[in-house]
Amino acid sequence: NAGVMQNPRHLVRRRGQEARLRCSPMKGHSHVYWYRQLPEEGLKFMVYLQKENIIDESGMPKERFSAEFPKEGPSILRIQQVVRGDSAAYFCASSRQSSRNTIYFGEGSWLTVV
Amino acid sequence: GQNIDQPTEMTATEGAIVQINCTYQTSGFNGLFWYQQHAGEAPTFLSYNVLDGLEEKGRFSSFLSRSKGYSYLLLKELQMKDSASYLCAVRPLEAGSYQLTFGKGTKLSVIP
Repeated sequence: NAGVMQNPRHLVRRRGQEARLRCSPMKGHSHVYWYRQLPEEGLKFMVYLQKENIIDESGMPKERFSAEFPKEGPSILRIQQVVRGDSAAYFCASSRQSSRNTIYFGEGSWLTVV
Repeated sequence: GQNIDQPTEMTATEGAIVQINCTYQTSGFNGLFWYQQHAGEAPTFLSYNVLDGLEEKGRFSSFLSRSKGYSYLLLKELQMKDSASYLCAVRPLEAGSYQLTFGKGTKLSVIP
């Protein structure tokens, strides 16, 4: 009964490199959400996706960040040309339907930009 | 917009009862969630309230008053493993909005 799987758990990138974070939702879940948690801050919504569709990306920075959830395979959050301020924990969550009230979180991917 | 306030830290004794409060100001409301998060781990769903009143689930209970914009999480018979951050989150009412707005979390330390 695997939960939401994220990898890598920890990622170190130099400034200017690209970071790719992957998320496999729980079995049977077709809705994926990405949240970012900065040090000493609450979780901040970034993007909500269904298979092959971005439903709400109102929390995504306008530049360098993108997300996808292809028909096959995990959801991917991509950060291009990373900067030190991108250092954070990135959490993925999934749900069976958007109207369901139980959203399950993965264990997060910790990005450190050096 | 949404604004959620909860205490930054709390300390309580093993075996005791602790209440973690959460107040919110929102332009619309469609439910309040509580999550538990141990350091370095995933937030774990605890409760969901959309109607006023108390929801009890084992040692944990959650209360909501929509008119006051107020909720609390009640933890009974505290155990050392309850030391964690407790996150309050609100779902807005805007059509098509599926995002949760989280507070900064309350770090609970349970001491012997």
